[in-house]
Amino acid sequence: DTAVSQTPKYLVTQMGNDKSIKCEQNLGHDTMYWYKQDSKKFLKIMFSYNNKELIINETVPNRFSPKSPDKAHLNLHINSLELGDSAVYFCASSFKNLGAFFGQGTRLTVV
Amino acid sequence: EDKVVQSPLSLVVHEGDTVTLNCSYEVTNFRSLLWYKQEKKAPTFLFMLTSSGIEKKSGRLSSILDKKELFSILNITATQTGDSAVYLCAVTGNTPLVFGKGTRLSVIA
Repeated sequence: DTAVSQTPKYLVTQMGNDKSIKCEQNLGHDTMYWYKQDSKKFLKIMFSYNNKELIINETVPNRFSPKSPDKAHLNLHINSLELGDSAVYFCASSFKNLGAFFGQGTRLTVV
Repeated sequence: EDKVVQSPLSLVVHEGDTVTLNCSYEVTNFRSLLWYKQEKKAPTFLFMLTSSGIEKKSGRLSSILDKKELFSILNITATQTGDSAVYLCAVTGNTPLVFGKGTRLSVIA
């Protein structure tokens, strides 16, 4: 059973489109995250969210928005996609802000 | 601002060598330090360290934390080609997991 799963694994889309990446965790964790990993493998946090608090990295454009229908899901919506949004996006979850487990990543390519 | 600095950025060794990877950090209200291994896909969890001076060990890998000097090391003994990966260090405190830029380890036969 996959602990943290995200879909799709690959996403190719045109500039200007709106897309979503879904994430689900079955670990009973209370906090979920979205990270962006660039071509140099640097993992940069975009959002962290638990049922009490959304923490947004202030450098993330407001075209990106997290949506959490329940504790086990944190989806990432991206509006008006730009070329620079191409990256691998990782979802992760943890319990009480401790060690996080990662999903397998979504490789987004904007053309 | 919380910060994690890893060194070296890259390292090439021969099979059988022992390597030490370094991680120094600045974080408000430190809670934990974590090491991950990333090959082609997602980072996989190696260790979580919360207390100074207590070594965590898993096979040929071990890690220790020094909360006074604000650093951790990850040791890999008798390296194998399968150890080739990017090793990521991350810390938690007031902010969620903050990652360093990683150390790319290449083990050649």
